[in-house]
Amino acid sequence: DAKTTQPTSMDCAEGRAANLPCNHSTISGNEYVYWYRQIHSQGPQYIIHGLKNNETNEMASLIITEDRKSSTLILPHATLRDTAVYYCIVRVDTGRRALTFGSGTRLQVQP
Amino acid sequence: DAGVIQSPRHEVTEMGQEVTLRCKPISGHNSLFWYRQTMMRGLELLIYFNNNVPIDDSGMPEDRFSAKMPNASFSTLKIQPSEPRDSAVYFCASSFSGFQETQYFGPGTRLLVL
Repeated sequence: DAKTTQPTSMDCAEGRAANLPCNHSTISGNEYVYWYRQIHSQGPQYIIHGLKNNETNEMASLIITEDRKSSTLILPHATLRDTAVYYCIVRVDTGRRALTFGSGTRLQVQP
Repeated sequence: DAGVIQSPRHEVTEMGQEVTLRCKPISGHNSLFWYRQTMMRGLELLIYFNNNVPIDDSGMPEDRFSAKMPNASFSTLKIQPSEPRDSAVYFCASSFSGFQETQYFGPGTRLLVL
């Protein structure tokens, strides 16, 4: 699976959009971009995933650049409960199916 | 749905003792994963099962660790004998294997080996 690079930490004001970047410059054509988050002391939680088109669900939006070398997770109206570590994971959907977690981005939503 | 259920939630034991962690996956899911999380190594896969069969156990640290899945609704991770370096949070996750699958994680078992 392709390696990802994320900032170590970010701050965001409550009610504002949180934009979390992820670099995956070595991504191959059959690899998907997944986002999970881990709120303190809880298990990781799936947020969203995509291949090349932008995706949106009730939790977030995922913007993938045209060359697919980077992506941005957008939380449109961050709340204090969104404070967590956010993991960007790139993986194929065949073969080894375990998730490979990096260090992630620690997002702190400020009141 | 109750989600993935793990027990116990916390375990404190002494070095050399046997530890058994338990997991009940989400009903209907046919894949089960055991992960371990430490400050030093982050989240790492230990083993995963598909249709109750172990598929990839390359992450199991050593012979002291063993995992079983006797049926589709239950799995155990056993450490015997336990050592202080096994102290970590152990997560179980389940999924329905297939295209673009999503893994659902349990709350974890926090293990402390003294």
